[in-house]
Amino acid sequence: QKEVEQNSGPLSVPEGAIASLNCTYSDRGSQSFFWYRQYSGKSPELIMFIYSNGDKEDGRFTAQLNKASQYVSLLIRDSQPSDSATYLCAVQTGTYKYIFGTGTRLKV
Amino acid sequence: KAGVTQTPRYLIKTRGQQVTLSCSPISGHRSVSWYQQTPGQGLQFLFEYFSETQRNKGNFPGRFSGRQFSNSRSEMNVSTLELGDSALYLCASSWDRAGELFFGEGSRLTVL
Repeated sequence: QKEVEQNSGPLSVPEGAIASLNCTYSDRGSQSFFWYRQYSGKSPELIMFIYSNGDKEDGRFTAQLNKASQYVSLLIRDSQPSDSATYLCAVQTGTYKYIFGTGTRLKV
Repeated sequence: KAGVTQTPRYLIKTRGQQVTLSCSPISGHRSVSWYQQTPGQGLQFLFEYFSETQRNKGNFPGRFSGRQFSNSRSEMNVSTLELGDSALYLCASSWDRAGELFFGEGSRLTVL
């Protein structure tokens, strides 16, 4: 079992729709959870971070965390063509190591 | 505020050679970590340094090594290069061991 798992996609959504990206992790001691966006040929940049169970909203983006289910998700409302990128889920473990998923490619 | 700077951006080496990559973190950031990114494996953690000490290490062979200098600049070295070492090597800095990672543009290594 991989430490952080994501569906590789591509996930195709029409412009204006909601994109839902999911991530599961294996280390129950994980403390912090991040979503990074990576455009082709570019380096990753932070979209959202979440530390506590529940939802966290920032503009069109909502991160959701469920530690009991070891599940974190990212919702993108009103998806735009500029949102087309690979989205990386990252988990910071109890030993402060960042573990990244392989990413989900989103096409809008 | 200058971002994370990595040099060189592109390099081509042959099997058996060694390579050294450099990373200058954002001013004031004390933690520097290195990642290898390949299409099949995604971003894989190599190691993390803080105040010149390696605090975490990923599951890479001993051919991969790194260090951090007193000014927080970091270098990583790969000896006896193999074809499978071809990848994008990303450096990231952060203020401390928790929180947001800021990535450099990466060093793309091709091993022939």
